[in-house]
Amino acid sequence: NAGVTQTPKFQVLKTGQSMTLQCAQDMNHNSMYWYRQDPGMGLRLIYYSASEGTTDKGEVPNGYNVSRLNKREFSLRLESAAPSQTSVYFCASSENQASGGWFGPGTRLTVT
Amino acid sequence: DAKTTQPPSMDCAEGRAANLPCNHSTISGNEYVYWYRQIHSQGPQYIIHGLKNNETNEMASLIITEDRKSSTLILPHATLRDTAVYYCIVRPTNFGNEKLTFGTGTRLTIIP
Repeated sequence: NAGVTQTPKFQVLKTGQSMTLQCAQDMNHNSMYWYRQDPGMGLRLIYYSASEGTTDKGEVPNGYNVSRLNKREFSLRLESAAPSQTSVYFCASSENQASGGWFGPGTRLTVT
Repeated sequence: DAKTTQPPSMDCAEGRAANLPCNHSTISGNEYVYWYRQIHSQGPQYIIHGLKNNETNEMASLIITEDRKSSTLILPHATLRDTAVYYCIVRPTNFGNEKLTFGTGTRLTIIP
């Protein structure tokens, strides 16, 4: 199993550009999440999907959209990138409360 | 609003037990306590979780007080590779409400 994979690993955008961060898991987990982590801060939840076909806002959803394409894939889209969205983005998945969940390696995004 | 409180940093000598405290005084009856760690800039890694009873696995032990308002993560024989940021979070037991909200964690430094 590859676990949780994220692409790309690094990305530099100009203000106003759009892009989609991809996340996939091969563990047949129901729940998937997107977090951002800024220097010196913990992880903040952007959006999550409790199951295929559902998505919900987390703490910091503004400026982002998500798609739960199928059970495996959960993408995060920035429609018009802003410098405040410079961050490290982590995708995670979990099966249920009995499992701790798995995190991907992260995408380091810089918006200039 | 933070549901857990942790000290921002701790040191521990290599080979000694590292005891990381967490306060979750507003925990409700249907919430688990989970611990994760994040080594340098990698994705967070699940360590252990518990509801009421103390738990042990190959990585650590979790001690939860009887009133469930606080817990302690114990790394029995800390090594240099245990240097990381440790996050304590609470998660609901009802499947489908998986917000996985993280705070800023405790930065544990293992000293040779």
